[in-house]
Amino acid sequence: QVQLVESGGGVVQPGGSLRLSCAASGFTFSSYGMHWVRQAPGKGLEWVAFIRYDGSNKYYADSVKGRFTISRDNSKNTLYLQMNSLRAEDTAVYYCAKGATGRNPYYFDYWGQGTLVTVSS
Amino acid sequence: SYELTQPPSVSVSPGQTARITCSGDALPKKYAYWYQQKSGQAPVLVIYEDSKRPSGIPERFSGSSSGTMATLTISGAQVEDEADYYCYSTDSSGNHSWVFGGGTKLTVL
Repeated sequence: QVQLVESGGGVVQPGGSLRLSCAASGFTFSSYGMHWVRQAPGKGLEWVAFIRYDGSNKYYADSVKGRFTISRDNSKNTLYLQMNSLRAEDTAVYYCAKGATGRNPYYFDYWGQGTLVTVSS
Repeated sequence: SYELTQPPSVSVSPGQTARITCSGDALPKKYAYWYQQKSGQAPVLVIYEDSKRPSGIPERFSGSSSGTMATLTISGAQVEDEADYYCYSTDSSGNHSWVFGGGTKLTVL
């Protein structure tokens, strides 16, 4: 069965950096695009970033462009999100999510349970 | 930036039909997707490509899209369907950016 397990969340000061990881299992990781989605406390969902199955294309929400970098290591079945210049408004639960199909990887069929990032001094 | 608009809340009695709408200028050209999120849990896909239902999702969940509005319909809503529902789509600019609607809290009581 598909499993996505996020890690790396925690408390960080404004302006700081954090790297999130998502360990994937139960499917052929190297064949699927992957996403990060976040949810601020008590708020709605926000799409953050996408990476193609082979890492050749990466797309970002305007709110994180230039500060966050999505990457993957297909040999380790792991997705990453490097977050720099963090702001209070980046405080959220961060979910990794699997792109649904090869033909249309731009929506998600499985989600992890999320990792909480808190940006506070 | 592109926006999808949903009503903040919808309330029905058990057994009634719940309809949750999502409006967006690009929906005539782009698919809508629907996610259900119960309290404290990760979201679950309930409808994809406007009207398709993933395996394991009850038949009472259906989707449709017409013009600039997509609709999630829950026929015979159950107490366990109480959750937040989010529509998801992209704009037609080709800039590879995806958005969620603001979410609709469905109350079944």
